[in-house]
Amino acid sequence: AQSVTQLDSQVPVFEEAPVELRCNYSSSVSVYLFWYVQYPNQGLQLLLKYLSGSTLVKGINGFEAEFNKSQTSFHLRKPSVHISDTAEYFCAVSVAIKAAGNKLTFGGGTRVLVKP
Amino acid sequence: NAGVMQNPRHLVRRRGQEARLRCSPMKGHSHVYWYRQLPEEGLKFMVYLQKENIIDESGMPKERFSAEFPKEGPSILRIQQVVRGDSAAYFCASSPPGLGNTIYFGEGSWLTVV
Repeated sequence: AQSVTQLDSQVPVFEEAPVELRCNYSSSVSVYLFWYVQYPNQGLQLLLKYLSGSTLVKGINGFEAEFNKSQTSFHLRKPSVHISDTAEYFCAVSVAIKAAGNKLTFGGGTRVLVKP
Repeated sequence: NAGVMQNPRHLVRRRGQEARLRCSPMKGHSHVYWYRQLPEEGLKFMVYLQKENIIDESGMPKERFSAEFPKEGPSILRIQQVVRGDSAAYFCASSPPGLGNTIYFGEGSWLTVV
């Protein structure tokens, strides 16, 4: 079985400051990694994903994440946040096994509050 | 290309009633997933379906919950005899076949049991 841990449940940050959201995972098989964002009362939107290749992945809205296999981490970063980045962010994994389809296991989420 | 469509967006049921939540996947997507999000919690996997087949229902409560994805029509998540603890947001997601494909989420159905 796999699990995902998001180390920070809430991250307050000032506008135009950088932010890093931490994500660690555990799995006995190869995984694919994802970050989703959820705005209030809405569904989830994909920010970025890592399947293979370059460990630095760039996504939408200026976000990027780095896959670190030795540390089993996939931290999300943005160099300068906007008020509109206030949302909840979820890290997720899917296993590279056909029978599992693209079923995602989610972390508990990190709530980002951007202050003016 | 329309996204994943869920309805109703909001549903209020009295304890003991039935709730039916519908999900139409994106065009070309044959895989459907249902997740539940309890207040102030993350998303928990419930069930993974392909057309006419339940592939993985390891996250479904053993009683009162069922899901289907018929050959024609939307996927349905059915909750019988609802209790207050069923109050949550239920999200449907879909993906095309093939590993590593993005799964796309609907806007969710918010169930309130009174």
